[in-house]
Parts: sequence; structure tokens; C-alpha cells
Amino acid sequence: DAKTTQPNSMESNEEEPVHLPCNHSTISGTDYIHWYRQLPSQGPEYVIHGLTSNVNNRMASLAIAEDRKSSTLILHRATLRDAAVYYCILRDPIQGAQKLVFGQGTRLTINP
Amino acid sequence: DAGVIQSPRHEVTEMGQEVTLRCKPISGHNSLFWYRQTMMRGLELLIYFNNNVPIDDSGMPEDRFSAKMPNASFSTLKIQPSEPRDSAVYFCASSRGSSGTKGYTFGSGTRLTVV
Repeated sequence: DAKTTQPNSMESNEEEPVHLPCNHSTISGTDYIHWYRQLPSQGPEYVIHGLTSNVNNRMASLAIAEDRKSSTLILHRATLRDAAVYYCILRDPIQGAQKLVFGQGTRLTINP
Repeated sequence: DAGVIQSPRHEVTEMGQEVTLRCKPISGHNSLFWYRQTMMRGLELLIYFNNNVPIDDSGMPEDRFSAKMPNASFSTLKIQPSEPRDSAVYFCASSRGSSGTKGYTFGSGTRLTVV
């Protein structure tokens, strides 16, 4: 599986935007970029995924670099409930990568 | 939709005892995954099933671990005999389809403590 690199931790303030970076320089042309988050004492939760174009949903936005070697998860207005570990994962459906392989993720702290 | 349901939420058992963890996937989801999470190793995939058939069990730590999926609505993960190093949170997840583009839905996990 292609590898992703994320900062170990980030901190932001409530009601401010948060940009969570992810580097994936060895991404293949068929890899999808997935983001999950894990709130304290809960299972991981799907956030968003994309291939080439930027994506938006009710939870977040995903900005994908033109060369696809990096991406950024954007929380437009962070709340205290967004404090979690955020995982960036590459998945290749053509290679049958049904396995979701988690790295260490970024621990996001939100200050009131 | 009740989501992925795991039971029990907490389990405390003595070393050497058999432990069975249970999972009910979301109706209509045909892929099921068992993960283990510890502070040291993070989230590890143990095994996954497609249409009730085990596809990849390379993450199962040793023969003491076994998993079954007798039907589309139920799966078990069994540890026999249990050891203190098996203490972890065990998550079950399910997804629809096998294309790799679909999101997973995780259960709330079973916190296992082996003393």
C-alpha cells in the first residue's frame, strides 16, 4: 500500500477553520484518498474521500493537489466535537484494496 | 439504521479463558472487517470477509484467534485461550460492495481486558 505522512498533532481554536495536511508522494493513478476520524472512546468514522477533484460534504472538504501527491482535509468551522484523531488513507479499488490500513493519524485538539 | 452492533461493550476475563466477541453488520453490507486497537500498535486489521467468506486473515496474530461469519448478519471473533497481551479494543466494521471506494461503518468496539 502506498504510504501517507501526517503530522502527529495539530491544535486549533473553536469556530476557526482547520487544515489537516497529508502527503502521499507515492500515490498511484488509481488510489482513492480517504479520510476517517476517531473521536475519543469511539470507533473510526468515515469523513470523506476523493480521487482527483476537490470534494465537499456536510462534514468537511477535501482539497487534492493537482499532482495528487498531497491533500488537505478542511474543517470549515471547528467545534469542540471535532477533537479527534484524523487518518488519511489511500485505497486502490482496482487492486482490490478492500483493506483499510490505518497509520498513526493526526491528533487534533480544539481550544475553546 | 442501528449501525454496526458489537457485543459486549466491555469484557474482563482471566488468562486462559475463552472469549467470544460478536458483531452484527449493517443490513445489506457484504463486507465485514475485524480490527484491534492498542496504544502501541494502533489500529490493526485482523481479518475480513466478503459475502461471508474469509478473504484475508493475515492479520490474525496466532492460532488462538479465530473468526467466523455463518451468515450475512452475524460474525464472531474468538480467542482461546486468552492472554493478557490480547487486551485491546476490538472493532468490527462493515461496508457495501468491494470496490474500495465505499466508506466503512465501524461499531463502538469491545474493550477486552485479560487479567
